[in-house]
Amino acid sequence: QSVLTQPPSVSGAPGQRVTISCTGSSSNIGAGYDVHWYQQLPGTAPKLLIYGNSNRPSGVPDRFSGSKSGTSASLAITGLQAEDEADYYCQSYDSSLRAVVFGGGTKLTVL
Amino acid sequence: QVQLVESGGGLVKPGGSLRLSCAASGFTFSDYYMSWIRQAPGKGLEWVSYISSSSSYTNYADSVKGRFTISRDNAKNSLYLQMNSLRAEDTAVYYCARVDGKALEVYFDYWGQGTLVTVSS
Repeated sequence: QSVLTQPPSVSGAPGQRVTISCTGSSSNIGAGYDVHWYQQLPGTAPKLLIYGNSNRPSGVPDRFSGSKSGTSASLAITGLQAEDEADYYCQSYDSSLRAVVFGGGTKLTVL
Repeated sequence: QVQLVESGGGLVKPGGSLRLSCAASGFTFSDYYMSWIRQAPGKGLEWVSYISSSSSYTNYADSVKGRFTISRDNAKNSLYLQMNSLRAEDTAVYYCARVDGKALEVYFDYWGQGTLVTVSS
């Protein structure tokens, strides 16, 4: 199992808001390390979606937002669109493992 | 525009070796840390290794430590991953990625399309 825990799947109807959680521990998110998020559309390479907990790279719609609190982080997607159907991964650093760590990924289905 | 193109993947027997390459363009390669990340079929992402801009510092996941070696040639704008003593569990798509962020809080802002490595007899 992954060091960062994500729900395997979430779903929502077009136009709705969904959130994806990323739960860590005192050696990663809880230690203050930043959380970053990636979107992987089917059959493609991952793409950076959020960096430094809540910052969006140029070109990423403001429908996507990130937050962090304690040992957890969340990705929120508002105004859900069919094109948002993808796998989403959180990523941080773990001081016990001295390694970059990813969450197990969450599959978003747009109903 | 930033472009990362991996090559060198293929089918290899358990215990064998393979060398992956990543050709970078569209940015000053020598200014950035670089990394390899892999994804087993139907599974999530797993960080493999990263290397500093001058090659002075490298770090590896425990799962590949002692078997894989990351290197780079800044004159050729290229990143490499030498993989030895390959195991079935190394079967994955291997992505080359540019590293951004500060100190330990790195993230991967650009990714290549990946190259598939299959370890099987």
